[in-house]
This record gives sequence, C-alpha cells and structure tokens, in this order.
Amino acid sequence: DADVTQTPRNRITKTGKRIMLECSQTKGHDRMYWYRQDPGLGLRLIYYSFDVKDINKGEISDGYSVSRQAQAKFSLSLESAIPNQTALYFCATSDRSSGREKLFFGSGTQLSVL
Amino acid sequence: GESVGLHLPTLSVQEGDNSIINCAYSNSASDYFIWYKQESGKGPQFIIDIRSNMDKRQGQRVTVLLNKTVKHLSLQIAATQPGDSAVYFCAENRDAGNMLTFGGGTRLMVKP
Repeated sequence: DADVTQTPRNRITKTGKRIMLECSQTKGHDRMYWYRQDPGLGLRLIYYSFDVKDINKGEISDGYSVSRQAQAKFSLSLESAIPNQTALYFCATSDRSSGREKLFFGSGTQLSVL
Repeated sequence: GESVGLHLPTLSVQEGDNSIINCAYSNSASDYFIWYKQESGKGPQFIIDIRSNMDKRQGQRVTVLLNKTVKHLSLQIAATQPGDSAVYFCAENRDAGNMLTFGGGTRLMVKP
C-alpha cells in the first residue's frame, strides 16, 4: 500500500551493526506495527504502538527496539544485528475507529545480516 | 498454544476454475477473521473479513465461509485468474484491541 512507506526496501548489514528501519504513513491512522516474516512462516508481531509515546512489546521483541516519533512515523532498530534477524520486515497501520485490527501493510524491507 | 493454521501450503489451479483456500483455527474465543493476499515483492493486502456472527460473506469474486462448529475458515475465489497467484494468509482476532494472529500462508498458483 503506497500510503505506508518503508525505507530502505533492501538492506545488507554485518553482524553486530546497528540498523534502523523506517516507516511513515499518510493514512492518518493512530496505530502502527512492526512485523517480521520468515520463509514459510506467518507474520509475527515485534512491536506496536497505539499512539505517540505508546510502545508495546509483541511476540518477538527481544533484540529489537522502536521509536514512535510522530503519529505518522514508527521506526524499528536492531541494536546489534545477528544473522537470525535476517527476514522480511513489514510495517503496518490500523485505524482505531474500525474497532478491529484491519491492518494496512507497507511493501516490506528485506534485511540480510551476514 | 492456540493458533491459526492452514491445511495446504500450496494450491495449484487451472485458470478459470474456482479456488478454495482453507484455514483452521483453534482459539474458540476468536470472533473476527481476515484474509490477506500477498503478491511477490509486496506487503499483504486486505481481501475480506468476517465476524463470528456471520457464516458467509461475499466480495468481488471472493467468498469467505466461517464454520464455528469445527473452527474452520475458507476463502473461495471464483474464476481464478493469473493475477490471483499469491500467498494467502488467514488471521484471527478476539476482542477489539487484541492483536491479529496470522496463519502460515498458502501459496496459490494459477496455471494458464
């Protein structure tokens, strides 16, 4: 969805490096999420935020941190990247007014940790 | 733990035929379900949703069926087209404010 923009689209980094993935949205949604997708597996939630200053851990938050700088921006950081963090990462948004978690996804960031 | 899963990892159909993608869920408290389509190189896109007070919902060429008795969800695609080739995910949710739980995905391949 072009309304949810992730940068970069691809990134190759080395073990131990700090890396940040950015997400911005123009949908005006208050809720934002970071998911990880591994081959053959479903999407797993890393962190989510229901508003600026609200940060919540998801299913697999270890090794990750996030920052909700503004309603439209939600960044994901890997403080010290490791090879098993190689995956496809998705940012998503949802609208509280929908009453349900109807998510809108970005196009993803393919991260490779060597 | 309770989870959402799929019966078939890969489904191959002839162009023009109908496709049926299945999903089993084990959380009896789930009351909202969504189907997503993920094309190669793209993020998942919402297709259709259904609440547990319904057993069928139709969209454009797609129908979702919910059988709460056996905790089964299916996505039917009519007259499957090459553009329908993608991975399809079901997701379930219980209670507003809780997170979606995604299944592992089924790859749909459409043969010309």
